[in-house]
Amino acid sequence: NAGVMQNPRHLVRRRGQEARLRCSPMKGHSHVYWYRQLPEEGLKFMVYLQKENIIDESGMPKERFSAEFPKEGPSILRIQQVVRGDSAAYFCASSPRSDSNQPQHFGDGTRLSIL
Amino acid sequence: TQLLEQSPQFLSIQEGENLTVYCNSSSVFSSLQWYRQEPGEGPVLLVTVVTGGEVKKLKRLTFQFGDARKDSSLHITAAQTGDTGLYLCAPQSNTGKLIFGQGTTLQVKP
Repeated sequence: NAGVMQNPRHLVRRRGQEARLRCSPMKGHSHVYWYRQLPEEGLKFMVYLQKENIIDESGMPKERFSAEFPKEGPSILRIQQVVRGDSAAYFCASSPRSDSNQPQHFGDGTRLSIL
Repeated sequence: TQLLEQSPQFLSIQEGENLTVYCNSSSVFSSLQWYRQEPGEGPVLLVTVVTGGEVKKLKRLTFQFGDARKDSSLHITAAQTGDTGLYLCAPQSNTGKLIFGQGTTLQVKP
């Protein structure tokens, strides 16, 4: 499967715990975007990364959320001290280049539930 | 703030009917992508439109990008039950991020 791979597909955490979401982009893609889909809402951009660099984090909450895309390995979206409002589907998309005409291909998401 | 509206929000039709979904924005975009999303899955790319006035066809789906690159439409001919899903238009900003609206939920009944 050469598509965007996200894991885990489902993640359950208790309030105060940490959540780590992983995304492996399509082969040959070095640009990764994270989006969040809250219940009954549309997808909202969170952060855009290239290998080892954060390019745009304008959509990511300033506290508790962080993202990285190391030279080797998947991109990680990390949420510390989770709260109930963090419950959502988190999607990762990748593209081969950054120019605005490049289509983004999405993974099937990680559904995060906070107890 | 970029405003993006899709209409209708919900659409329920019989198999064989035609339909059009509209996507309107207050801003000009360099490109726009259409996706379809099914429950429990990620959005699947249908098409990218780039040029004002561009028309692209994908089997029974016809996509149009407005001349001013502020709006787009998706027309489905002779809808089938397999067309059921959430249709999302997503203009792309010059930084690459996609801007999504609420989408159009389409139900095609047999």
